[in-house]
Amino acid sequence: QVQLVQSGPEVKKPGASVKVSCKAFRYAFSSYYIHWVRQAPGLGLDWMGVINANDGSTTYAQKFQGRVTMTRDTSTSTLYMELTSLRSEDTAIYYCARRRATRELDHWGQGTLVTVSS
Amino acid sequence: DIQMTQSPSSLSASVGDRVSITCRASQTVSRYLNWYQQKPGKAPKLLIYGASSLQSGVPSRFSGSGSETDFTLTISSLQPEDFATYYCQQSYDTPYTFGQGTKLEIK
Repeated sequence: QVQLVQSGPEVKKPGASVKVSCKAFRYAFSSYYIHWVRQAPGLGLDWMGVINANDGSTTYAQKFQGRVTMTRDTSTSTLYMELTSLRSEDTAIYYCARRRATRELDHWGQGTLVTVSS
Repeated sequence: DIQMTQSPSSLSASVGDRVSITCRASQTVSRYLNWYQQKPGKAPKLLIYGASSLQSGVPSRFSGSGSETDFTLTISSLQPEDFATYYCQQSYDTPYTFGQGTKLEIK
C-alpha cells in the first residue's frame, strides 16, 4: 500500500538548519504533489508548503518564505524539506502528506520531531 | 489567506451520542473542504473530502455536509475509538489552511 516514510528525530541549536526527508513507496511518485505540515507541541496543524513531484515547482506559506526549501529526488522517490535559521518556536513534528487530484491529503508520513534547543 | 474557524474547540460526549462539529471559512472554498481525525502521537487521518465524500475505509457513521463557507462534520453514533481531535482544512487555494481543531472527549 501507499506509504510515506520520514527520517528520524532531530535536535538542533538555534540558528542551525534541518533537512527532513520523506520517501515514497508504491505509487507513481511524479504524479502527485506533496505537502508539508507541522504541529508544535499541543497545538494545531500548520501548513508550510507544497512541491510538485513532477517538475519540482513549489509554493510556500508566507510565514516560511526565505527559510524553507522543498526539493525532490525522482531517482529515489524522496522529498526533502529544509528549514533554516531555526528558533525555539520551530520545535514541532513535521509531516509530509500526499495530495490527490481532488486536493485532499490522503496519505501522511509518520512525522519527524524536530527539537530546537540550546 | 482563507481563515478557517471551527466550533466548538472542545466537546464532551458519551458513547452512542450524535455529535456535530462546524467549520466556517472566511471566504468561499466551494466544496474544497476536508476533515481529518488525529489521535495522540499519530499523523492525521483523512475522513471526509470534497465536503461530503467519505474516504475509503472510514465508517459510515461519519458524514460531512455544506458548501461555500459553512460546513459540518457529523458522527451519528459515537464509538470509543472516535474520541480524538478533528480538523477541517480548505484546499480551495494555497495556503491550505486548517481550522484550530476540535477535541472530542469522553463525558
